[in-house]
Amino acid sequence: QIQLQQSGPGLVKPSQTLSLTCAISGDSVSTNSAAWNWIRQSPSRGLEWLGRTYYRSKWYNEYAVSVKSRITINPDTSKNQFSLQLNSVTPEDTAVYYCARGVGATYDAYCFDCWGQGTLVTVSS
Amino acid sequence: SYVLTQPPSVSVSPGQTARITCGGNNIGSKSVHWYQQKPGQAPVLVVYDDGDRPSGIPERFSGSNSGNTATLTISRVKAGDEADYYCQVWGSSSDFWVFGGGTKLTVL
Repeated sequence: QIQLQQSGPGLVKPSQTLSLTCAISGDSVSTNSAAWNWIRQSPSRGLEWLGRTYYRSKWYNEYAVSVKSRITINPDTSKNQFSLQLNSVTPEDTAVYYCARGVGATYDAYCFDCWGQGTLVTVSS
Repeated sequence: SYVLTQPPSVSVSPGQTARITCGGNNIGSKSVHWYQQKPGQAPVLVVYDDGDRPSGIPERFSGSNSGNTATLTISRVKAGDEADYYCQVWGSSSDFWVFGGGTKLTVL
């Protein structure tokens, strides 16, 4: 039974860096059959996919165009977890952030079959 | 960018059938996935690849996809099905994965 457990601060000041971690149990961050994603949800933007990391003989990352210049997702194989860093945050980055496992043999078939509990991150001074 | 359009709300009486639509340009050529989200909880995958169900999801949940509309059908609706429902597809190499705006299912 796979479980994703998120951790990280719920309040970040404008212009600073948002950092969250997602610990994986029941699967491996290095698996060849899944990818590890960050998705956020806000009233103004709805559900928004932010990016992912995955291992296929080497590590790959893909990021949404909307945050590409500010985002980093890193795997941590020693702790079986992955992290999100979003730089230079503004109040528009206020949202509930979710980590999620993505599965599917193709981009088209790709879906999110397991989610973390969510973390409300508020950007405010 | 690829846009998915869902009705804001759908209402149905217990025991009836709820149909939630997801509109998109030629969406019938894509694989559509559906999520259920209850208040304060993370989304849960209820249908993938247009009409397949993950293990543990009741057979009452089914899906179809053709033309410009995909549909999530919930048969014999129960009070516990009351939730927000979201569709999701692969948009493009610039969009990556996109979600619909969500539909609130109310069980009267």
